[in-house]
Amino acid sequence: DAKTTQPPSMDCAEGRAANLPCNHSTISGNEYVYWYRQIHSQGPQYIIHGLKNNETNEMASLIITEDRKSSTLILPHATLRDTAVYYCVPYTGTASKLTFGTGTRLQVTL
Amino acid sequence: DGGITQSPKYLFRKEGQNVTLSCEQNLNHDAMYWYRQDPGQGLRLIYYSQIVNDFQKGDIAEGYSVSREKKESFPLTVTSAQKNPTAFYLCASGGDRASNQPQHFGDGTRLSIL
Repeated sequence: DAKTTQPPSMDCAEGRAANLPCNHSTISGNEYVYWYRQIHSQGPQYIIHGLKNNETNEMASLIITEDRKSSTLILPHATLRDTAVYYCVPYTGTASKLTFGTGTRLQVTL
Repeated sequence: DGGITQSPKYLFRKEGQNVTLSCEQNLNHDAMYWYRQDPGQGLRLIYYSQIVNDFQKGDIAEGYSVSREKKESFPLTVTSAQKNPTAFYLCASGGDRASNQPQHFGDGTRLSIL
C-alpha cells in the first residue's frame, strides 16, 4: 500500500480557500488518489478522486502533480461545516480495503 | 434516499456476550466492508464481501464473524472471543473500478463494554 504524508493540522478562515496537501510518492500506476473527510463521530464522507488529471465536483477540486507524487485538495470557499479530518487515500478502486492514515485536521474559523 | 444504514448508533456489551451490528445498503453495491476505528487511529479492515454468499477476512478478523445472505445486508457479530471490542465500527459499500464507484460509509456504531 502506498504511504501518505499529510500535515497534522491546518487552519482556514471562513470564506477563504482551504488547500490541503498530500504526499504519496510511492503511489503505484494503478492507484487513484481518493479524498475523504470525517466529521467527529460520523463515518468518512467521500469527496473526490482522480488518477492523473485534475478533477472538480460540487464539493472540491483536486490537483495532482504530473509525476503523481503529490496532490492538493482545494475547498474553494470553506465554511464552518468543513471543519473535519481530511484523508488522502491511494486506492485501486477495486473491492479491497481503504488504508487511511492519520489525515489533516482542518479547523475553519470565523 | 439512497445510502448505508447502520444500527444501533450506540451499543453496550456485557462480558461473555455476543452482539450483532446491522448494516443495510440500498445503493445496489456488490461489495460491502466492515472497518474498526480506534481513537486517533485510522481504519482497519475486519471483513469484506465482494458478492452475496462470499466474504473474506481482513486484517483483524479474529473475534468477529459475518454473513452475506442478501445483497443489501452485511451484519457483523462481535463475539466473546474479541477481548477488546470497544471501538467505532464502520460499514461501507461500493468500490468498483469498472464503474468508477468509490466506497461509501455509514455513520457507524459505537460499541462499549459494560
